[in-house]
Amino acid sequence: GAVVSQHPSRVICKSGTSVKIECRSLDFQATTMFWYRQFPKQSLMLMATSNEGSKATYEQGVEKDKFLINHASLTLSTLTVTSAHPEDSSFYICSAREAAEGTDTQYFGPGTRLTVL
Amino acid sequence: GQNIDQPTEMTATEGAIVQINCTYQTSGFNGLFWYQQHAGEAPTFLSYNVLDGLEEKGRFSSFLSRSKGYSYLLLKELQMKDSASYLCAAYGNNRLAFGKGNQVVVIP
Repeated sequence: GAVVSQHPSRVICKSGTSVKIECRSLDFQATTMFWYRQFPKQSLMLMATSNEGSKATYEQGVEKDKFLINHASLTLSTLTVTSAHPEDSSFYICSAREAAEGTDTQYFGPGTRLTVL
Repeated sequence: GQNIDQPTEMTATEGAIVQINCTYQTSGFNGLFWYQQHAGEAPTFLSYNVLDGLEEKGRFSSFLSRSKGYSYLLLKELQMKDSASYLCAAYGNNRLAFGKGNQVVVIP
């Protein structure tokens, strides 16, 4: 199956700093990547849809100036959490859609656990 | 809008069969996915249904009824490693909407 990587897997930072998370599709090209956030015992919540070469589409309630998304190539999307605060502590997961497969199946990266002190 | 509903937790014995249900209301529905998620890890893809009926893949099978907005995941010959949360996700309007997941605990 398709492989998606994420880096870093875990990050601890001080309040007010910015954190960048990378999502890569390793063996396929992904015109669309998705960023999710999951709080403990909660569902995955879609934050934004990242389209290669164009602006990301943010879900309602997600601040686009706080969560900056860049999808510069067909294999890389980045999420930057700017001026992180403790309430941003969460499990951030990206996924990439393998369009060539024709089923719109999304494959998930291993996730990044962010802890803001 | 999108609304996904799943029961929250169940316990089953090794070797048994478990059925996990999911109901959904999704605009522009175009498929139902099942994912497995172990604690602290990202979801892994299990199955995809877009047409009514049963899809069998080894020990796991998934069923879809579009008219009823209903799907189930069937886990056969349960193994200890199957202890995980099982998420159903309905695809519509270019996005996946996830249920909260059903935690399955497999006991010896």
